[in-house]
Amino acid sequence: AQSVTQPDIHITVSEGASLELRCNYSYGATPYLFWYVQSPGQGLQLLLKYFSGDTLVQGIKGFEAEFKRSQSSFNLRKPSVHWSDAAEYFCAVAPAGGYNKLIFGAGTRLAVHP
Amino acid sequence: DSGVTQTPKHLITATGQRVTLRCSPRSGDLSVYWYQQSLDQGLQFLIQYYNGEERAKGNILERFSAQQFPDLHSELNLSSLELGDSALYFCASSVAETGGWYEQYFGPGTRLTVT
Repeated sequence: AQSVTQPDIHITVSEGASLELRCNYSYGATPYLFWYVQSPGQGLQLLLKYFSGDTLVQGIKGFEAEFKRSQSSFNLRKPSVHWSDAAEYFCAVAPAGGYNKLIFGAGTRLAVHP
Repeated sequence: DSGVTQTPKHLITATGQRVTLRCSPRSGDLSVYWYQQSLDQGLQFLIQYYNGEERAKGNILERFSAQQFPDLHSELNLSSLELGDSALYFCASSVAETGGWYEQYFGPGTRLTVT
C-alpha cells in the first residue's frame, strides 16, 4: 500500500538556522511528490512538487526539496528559517498518471525561536 | 486566498445528527476533492468528483456521501454523526482529473465538532 512517513512530529529551530524536514514514501513506482504547508487556521498551500527530471526542485518561500530514489525520500530544506515559517508541513504523494488523490504524511509541526 | 470557499467555517452538532458541508471550487475548476483531517487519522482523502461524476473514493464511511451539482459546487453529507467524526474537512479543486497532475487548491476547511 502507498504510504508516506514523516518521522519528526515536532521540530524547533532558531530563526536564521537551516531546516530539513524528512519524508519517506512507499510506492511501487516513483509517484508524484509534494510538500504542502498549513498555517494555523488556513488551508494547505503547495510549496513544491516533483514529477521527474532534476532531483532538486525549487519551491515558493525559499524552500527546496531533493528526491532520492535509492532512499525513497523527498526531504524539504530551507537554508535560513524565518519566524513566519512556523507552521505544519505535510509531505504527500499521488499515483503517477492516475487520478489526482493525494496521500499525506502525518505532518511535521515547525516552531521557530527568535 | 485559494479561491475555494467552504461553508460553514465551524459547525457544532450532537451525535446522531446529520450535517451538510458546502464547497465552491475555483472558477473554471471541474474537479472537487474532499479530505478529512483528524487527530488520530491525519489527513485522509475521502472522495473526488469531476464535472458532476464520482471519480475516486478513499476512506469514506458509508454514513458519508457527497455530490457535485451542475454549477460545480459540491456538498459533503455526514449522517449518524459520532464523536470520532469531529475533524477539519477540507475541499480542494483542480482544473481536471487525469492526463497529468493538476494542482489542487485547498479551501480553508470546515471544523466539525460532534458533542
